[in-house]
Amino acid sequence: AQSVAQPEDQVNVAEGNPLTVKCTYSVSGNPYLFWYVQYPNRGLQFLLKYITGDNLVKGSYGFEAEFNKSQTSFHLKKPSALVSDSALYFCAVRGPTISGGYNKLIFGAGTRLAVHP
Amino acid sequence: GAGVSQSPSNKVTEKGKDVELRCDPISGHTALYWYRQSLGQGLEFLIYFQGNSAPDKSGLPSDRFSAERTGGSVSTLTIQRTQQEDSAVYLCASSLKSGGATEAFFGQGTRLTVV
Repeated sequence: AQSVAQPEDQVNVAEGNPLTVKCTYSVSGNPYLFWYVQYPNRGLQFLLKYITGDNLVKGSYGFEAEFNKSQTSFHLKKPSALVSDSALYFCAVRGPTISGGYNKLIFGAGTRLAVHP
Repeated sequence: GAGVSQSPSNKVTEKGKDVELRCDPISGHTALYWYRQSLGQGLEFLIYFQGNSAPDKSGLPSDRFSAERTGGSVSTLTIQRTQQEDSAVYLCASSLKSGGATEAFFGQGTRLTVV
């Protein structure tokens, strides 16, 4: 079975400081990993994804994420946080099936990021 | 349209009534998902349609929940005999068929309130 965990319910960071939102996953085989953001009263927006290749992937709004296979992690990062980054962030994973396809997309519980002026 | 469209955007229903929620995926997307999100919480997987394959219904919480996808496009999520605990935002997403690497695009959701 595949699963994804976001160990922090909330992350607080001061504007201008670097931020990290943590994500770990469990799948059999090579995963596809995704980050989404949900602003208040809005739908989920795709931020970035890891498929293969470079472990550091860059996405929208200056966000990036680092894939670490040995630690089964895919932490979201940004060098300098903005107040407007305050939102709910979701990590998601999709792993391979025995038949060679890919499983459904499974989401973590979400982490609320609060960036303070 | 350019994005995933869900209707209605809001639905208030009385306990015990049946409701139907509609999702129009992005044209050409063969994968379609339904998720449920309770207030400020995570996304609970409900059902996954992938092309002509049998849907993955493993997330449906009870037999009161069912979903169909007609002609590989529009999907309807039906909740029978609604209960107050069914109140949530129901999100639909679609993605291309090109394996598992493509991201899913989400609609704005249907906020269901059971009174």
